[in-house]
Amino acid sequence: AQRVTQPEKLLSVFKGAPVELKCNYSYSGSPELFWYVQYSRQRLQLLLRHISRESIKGFTADLNKGETSFHLKKPFAQEEDSAMYYCALPSYGGSQGNLIFGKGTKLSVKP
Amino acid sequence: DAGVTQSPTHLIKTRGQQVTLRCSPKSGHDTVSWYQQALGQGPQFIFQYYEEEERQRGNFPDRFSGHQFPNYSSELNVNALLLGDSALYLCASSFVGDTQYFGPGTRLTVL
Repeated sequence: AQRVTQPEKLLSVFKGAPVELKCNYSYSGSPELFWYVQYSRQRLQLLLRHISRESIKGFTADLNKGETSFHLKKPFAQEEDSAMYYCALPSYGGSQGNLIFGKGTKLSVKP
Repeated sequence: DAGVTQSPTHLIKTRGQQVTLRCSPKSGHDTVSWYQQALGQGPQFIFQYYEEEERQRGNFPDRFSGHQFPNYSSELNVNALLLGDSALYLCASSFVGDTQYFGPGTRLTVL
């Protein structure tokens, strides 16, 4: 069955430190993958998607099919990056399906 | 464009009652998906509506039903409420199942 795993419930780093939020998935094929972010008291919003290869707010994510991972990285964390981060996989692998979410990782960036 | 809107914001019901939640999609979107987010969990897919028909359904009982109207807005109905139905209910809209944009959610509390 398709599954998304985010092994860390909470990740705490200091401002300016590198950050990596882990995401592993189970899907046989070439999936489309997403990272969604939820800032305090705001709605869930798309941060980036694998297919666009964009860098949003300094975050990047690379799909590693061998390790079935899609880790989110940023070289220098900012306090405003503090939020809940969710990795998501469409159920059919492509963007047409419903989304399967991980349980999320809470990122806390300390001053 | 206000984006995806949901009503009401909060709702308190008692066990056995029925509830209706409403969602208006982002302008130009024709597909509406509903998710349940329990405390500390990622969103879980309930069902998706396109062209006024349920296109996909997650692992939720028949007590959960929905509807999509000709203007693409949607309703989620839950019958015979259980304590375990207490959660944040998220609506997401997209164009022909592409990238999903989320609403702010409706917080349902069942006493």
